[in-house]
Amino acid sequence: DVKVTQSSRYLVKRTGEKVFLECVQDMDHENMFWYRQDPGLGLRLIYFSYDVKMKEKGDIPEGYSVSREKKERFSLILESASTNQTSMYLCASKSETGFLNTEAFFGQGTRLTVV
Amino acid sequence: GDSVTQMEGPVTLSEEAFLTINCTYTATGYPSLFWYVQYPGEGLQLLLKATKADDKGSNKGFEATYRKETTSFHLEKGSVQVSDSAVYFCALTDSGAGSYQLTFGKGTKLSVIP
Repeated sequence: DVKVTQSSRYLVKRTGEKVFLECVQDMDHENMFWYRQDPGLGLRLIYFSYDVKMKEKGDIPEGYSVSREKKERFSLILESASTNQTSMYLCASKSETGFLNTEAFFGQGTRLTVV
Repeated sequence: GDSVTQMEGPVTLSEEAFLTINCTYTATGYPSLFWYVQYPGEGLQLLLKATKADDKGSNKGFEATYRKETTSFHLEKGSVQVSDSAVYFCALTDSGAGSYQLTFGKGTKLSVIP
């Protein structure tokens, strides 16, 4: 059974803290994505990575950074958490082969609350 | 850039009612089209897909037909069940801008009541 695993289902952090969200996939996929999901706004792309050590900004990268040191792991970093980063964060992976026609696989999400 | 527009929810239906969720898209290339579903407390999972014009994707009683002439991919089900309560996302993948794009609509929340 293919899997995308996010390290935490729920997190509560304080304003100003550095926060790490981890995502691991076991499908040997080249492409990995971080989205945030907010009511009324749907899924918004933060960053994606198409290879180890490669990254591209998505639609809302401000306040975030990412790291991809190994193919299976893609980390999202909130350098200094703020209350407006309270959200559901979703990680996804997708094969480069047949990118157009194959599905993206999602983790279960991390609900982050910044207080 | 590419975009996906879905009908706004929430949508509330009685069990066994007919469901339609509208989805239209704009794309620079020739996209593949997807419907994903998110059940409460879970991530998204693929519901169905269509990769070329006039293709019909189907799964679990849901159907959607790729209509290139109207740039649409509407989701339908003839008789919904309480277990279909979820958020539904229309999405596309495209390579028309020279790089691969994966774009989602904002989602439509469906609630089915007994």
